[in-house]
Parts: sequence; C-alpha cells; structure tokens
Amino acid sequence: QSVLTQPPLVSAAPGQKVTISCSGSSSNIGNKGVSWYQQLPGTAPKLLIYENDKRPSGIPDRFSGSKSGTSATLGITGLQTGDEADYYCGTWDSSLSAFVFGSGTKVTVL
Amino acid sequence: QAQLQQSGPGLVKPSQTLSLTCVISGDGVSSNSAAWNWIRQSPSRGLEWLGRTYYRSKWYNDYAVSVKSRIIINPDTSKNQFSLQLNSVTPEDTAVYYCARGTAAAGFDSWGQGTLVTVSS
Repeated sequence: QSVLTQPPLVSAAPGQKVTISCSGSSSNIGNKGVSWYQQLPGTAPKLLIYENDKRPSGIPDRFSGSKSGTSATLGITGLQTGDEADYYCGTWDSSLSAFVFGSGTKVTVL
Repeated sequence: QAQLQQSGPGLVKPSQTLSLTCVISGDGVSSNSAAWNWIRQSPSRGLEWLGRTYYRSKWYNDYAVSVKSRIIINPDTSKNQFSLQLNSVTPEDTAVYYCARGTAAAGFDSWGQGTLVTVSS
C-alpha cells in the first residue's frame, strides 16, 4: 500500500489534456516539495517536475505541476502518443524519514 | 546531468548478499549538493526508495525502515562510485534496482540503467 495515492489509469484522445492527482498527508506532501516522473516501458524513470512546479531543462511546457494542501497534480496538455507511460509522484515523508513514491498512473492515448 | 552506470550480478541465492555498484561520471560522489540513492521496482511493491549516501562536510546515510537492518550503502571516493549491499535476501527482494542522483527537494534527475536482480536458488 503506497503512502501516496494516484489513480491507476487516465486516458484521453490526442491533443487533449489529462491531469493526474497524487494524494498524501501532512507528513509528506503537506510540508515537502513534490516531484513527478515519467517511465516509458523498459526504461528508468525520468524526472518531469521537481519542487511542485519546476521543470528541468529539456522538459516541454506541456507538462506542469501544482500543489494544494496535501495533494499534488501533474498536468499534460496536447497529449501525444509518445506520452503513453507510467507516471509517479514522490516526496519526502518526515514520519517515515524516507522518500516515498506514489502508486503510479498509466496514461493511455485513445 | 550526471551519467550513472550500474554493474552487478542478476541472480542471487536466498540468504546471500546482493551487491551492486554505480559508477558516476559528470559529477562527484563527494559533491556537497547531491545525494546518491538506491531505488528498486517490483510489480508487488512498486517504486521503493531504499536509501542514500551523501557528503556535507562528513558522510551521512539514510535507509528505509523496511530494509534498515540489512542494507549498507557505501561511497568510494577513489573510484567515484557508490555501492549497495543488501544482506539475507529472500525472493521478495527480486526487483529491478536503480541507482539515482538527487535529493528529496530537487528530485532524482539522473538514473542508472537498472539491473534486474532475481533471488532464486
């Protein structure tokens, strides 16, 4: 059972927008920054967002992040077939003294 | 970004020790701003952070509670690498293991290629 809860599956047509939620608690998302990762099949995760809403260089602005209270959200606009992947949120949990990942969300392009 | 290259056996017998190494290029294991992590992934446990080592005037280690009694992460400054040692493994430790650079605040921005480790006799 993951400490951070994500929906298992999100789908949309090409060009549309999807949002992925990540729900936590006051010991993690509530007082720590959130990062988001994209994992294509057979590859290592790739950092998309850090500190809730910052994009590393090279990440297109179609990807965005936000946080409110104990929840965070990843948004993907202009959905492309190449965006089909698993997406994970993550943050530090001060009660566990450990970095925790979400359960993961599979994005499919209809 | 740093480049991380993992090495180590893909098959370990139950009760034995899993050992993996991660060689760093483009950064230093003694960097005062980075941390060096081991993360694993399995269908049953998802992505699981195992621990980290980092240098801030002295060396520090943090480990996940789930493996704290069995894990050692060591830096090797002479070879600019760090290693994972997981003792007394069971089939539950079967997973893809990744090394990664990053901190909780900045996220994990560089990852190794992953090593599938199977625990089986």
